This record gives sequence, structure tokens and C-alpha cells, in this order.
Amino acid sequence: GENVEQHPSTLSVQEGDSAVIKCTYSDSASNYFPWYKQELGKRPQLIIDIRSNVGEKKDQRIAVTLNKTAKHFSLHITETQPEDSAVYFCAATPKTSYDKVIFGPGTSLSVIP
Amino acid sequence: NAGVTQTPKFRVLKTGQSMTLLCAQDMNHEYMYWYRQDPGMGLRLIHYSVGEGTTAKGEVPDGYNVSRLKKQNFLLGLESAAPSQTSVYFCASSYGPTGAYEQYFGPGTRLTVT
Repeated sequence: GENVEQHPSTLSVQEGDSAVIKCTYSDSASNYFPWYKQELGKRPQLIIDIRSNVGEKKDQRIAVTLNKTAKHFSLHITETQPEDSAVYFCAATPKTSYDKVIFGPGTSLSVIP
Repeated sequence: NAGVTQTPKFRVLKTGQSMTLLCAQDMNHEYMYWYRQDPGMGLRLIHYSVGEGTTAKGEVPDGYNVSRLKKQNFLLGLESAAPSQTSVYFCASSYGPTGAYEQYFGPGTRLTVT
């Protein structure tokens, strides 16, 4: 089945610096890749997503890139702020079923003021 | 709109006890999901439903049962709780398949099995 790996597991950056989180997936037929943010003690919330027919998508300080050939996608956060501190999960839709997504293990991002 | 709600928020069970977690959504979503979240393992799908009266197994279904008798509710049952089921449980819903639509999560239920 689909397997999603995510790196790094923890990341610390200075406020104002950029942060990059990378994910790889195993199913070459996967076509939808969302990113969720979970603040401490809160529920996960969708922050950005990308489909397989698009190479890059941007929303203010957040961008996601997709390399279908290499089967990896990345989340880029520029000009980080303390409120960006959270756990970030990537996910991918498996070939066997578009009714679900498989999540990566998560990256804990800390932005140091 | 309340969105997705979960009952209860916290629960402590003894090994072998049973319980039911309730998820409710008021967004008229067809799809509903139950996940468990454990440190370093992300969100793992337990069971899901693509519509009223339907259920399907996810990645980690053993030890759990579900029912979707009403479109707005999705129940997760533990018949005989085990310490390995200590986790945070999240319910989610979406208008359509998650391969095309955003999932909205509930606030979570923290379950401890002793």
C-alpha cells in the first residue's frame, strides 16, 4: 500500500528564516497531496494542497512543490513567525482508493523568536 | 455551525471495558473518518464511511467497530479495550472523497486504557 515518509521529524528555525519539510510517497499513481497543520492541543487543519497536474502552488508565505518523477513533495514556509510553530503533516492519496489519504509521521516545527 | 464535534473529550478505561466515541457533523458531509494519533506516527485511519449506512476498514481497524446509522453521526466502538488503544482519536468529515475534498477534523478524544 501507499507509504508516506516525512523529514525532518523536528525542525527549529529563527524567526524570519525559511523552513522546508520534505515528503516522499511510494504510489506513483497518487494524485492529491494535502498538508495539515496541528497546533499544540488542537485539531489538524488543512493549510495547502496540490494535485499531480501542478508543479507548484503558493499561498502567501506558504508554498508546496511536487516532483512526480522523484515522487516527492515539499512544504516551504518563508519569513517564519512564532505562530508557525506546530506539527505539520503531509499526506497522499493511494492508488487503491481516492476515498482516503495516508499521512506522514509529522514534522514538529519550532520558530524561535 | 458547530462543524465536527466529538464526545467525550477525555476518558479513562480499564482493560477489558467497552466504550463508544461519538462524532457528529452539521455540514451535510457524505464522508466521515476515524483516526488515531500516536506520537511519531502521524494520523492512522481506523475506519471510514462514504455515506449513511456504509463503513469500510482503514489501516488499523483491529479492535474497533463503527456504525453510520445517520448521515451526521459516526460512532467508534471499542468492545474490549486494551492498553495499546491508548491514543488520541480524531474524527473527520468531508463533502466528498479526500482525494478531492478537504477534511474537517473534530477536537479529538484523549483515551487512556489502564
